Amino acid sequence: SAVISQKPSRDICQRGTSLTIQCQVDSQVTMMFWYRQQPGQSLTLIATANQGSEATYESGFVIDKFPISRPNLTFSTLTVSNMSPEDSSIYLCSVSDRGFYNEQFFGPGTRLTVL
Amino acid sequence: AQSVTQLDSHVSVSEGTPVLLRCNYSSSYSPSLFWYVQHPNKGLQLLLKYTSAATLVKGINGFEAEFKKSETSFHLTKPSAHMSDAAEYFCVIRDDKIIFGKGTRLHILP
Repeated sequence: SAVISQKPSRDICQRGTSLTIQCQVDSQVTMMFWYRQQPGQSLTLIATANQGSEATYESGFVIDKFPISRPNLTFSTLTVSNMSPEDSSIYLCSVSDRGFYNEQFFGPGTRLTVL
Repeated sequence: AQSVTQLDSHVSVSEGTPVLLRCNYSSSYSPSLFWYVQHPNKGLQLLLKYTSAATLVKGINGFEAEFKKSETSFHLTKPSAHMSDAAEYFCVIRDDKIIFGKGTRLHILP
C-alpha cells in the first residue's frame, strides 16, 4: 500500500483567498484523486489528477475554482480558489496504484475552515 | 446510471453481538465494490473489496461481505462487535465512476 501525506493538515482562511493543498506519495502511482468531505457528509470526487495533462473534473466542479497540478507520479496539488464559507470541508487526496478498478488509499486529509 | 445506497445512517449494537451494515448498488456493468472505515479524526482505511472473484470477501478486523448479484447487495458483517469498531463505514462502487455511499455510523453499546 502507498503512504500518503498532505500539507497543511488544517487551515483557517479568509473569504476570497486561495489555499493550495499538497499531496505527496511515497511511491509512483498511476492514478491520483481529490475528494471533498463536507461536515457530516460522505465523500465526493472532485477530479482525477492526470500526470502531464489537465485534470478530469466531475460534474459540479470546475478548473477555475479547483485548479489541480500533477507534475510527476508522486505529487499533486489542489488549489481552492476565491474561497467562501461553503468551501469549508475536509479535502482528501487518494491514490490507486493498480488501476481504476482496484482499491484506493487515502491521505489523512486537510481540514479547511473559511471564515 | 450507477448508484450505491447505504440503507441505515446509524446502527447500534451491543459489544459481542453481530454487526450488519447494509449496502445496495445499481450498475450497468460488473462493478468493483469496496467497504472503507473512517474512525474519528482519522483517515479512511480499506476493509475489503470485491472485484469479480469470490463472492464472499473477507477483510481486516474480522469483517466480511457477500456480493449478491440477484439482490444487488454487498452487506458488511462481523460476528462479534468490539468497542473499537465504532466508526463511520462507507460502501463504494466503481465502474465507470467512483461513488461513495452516504455512510453508516456504527455505535457499539457496552
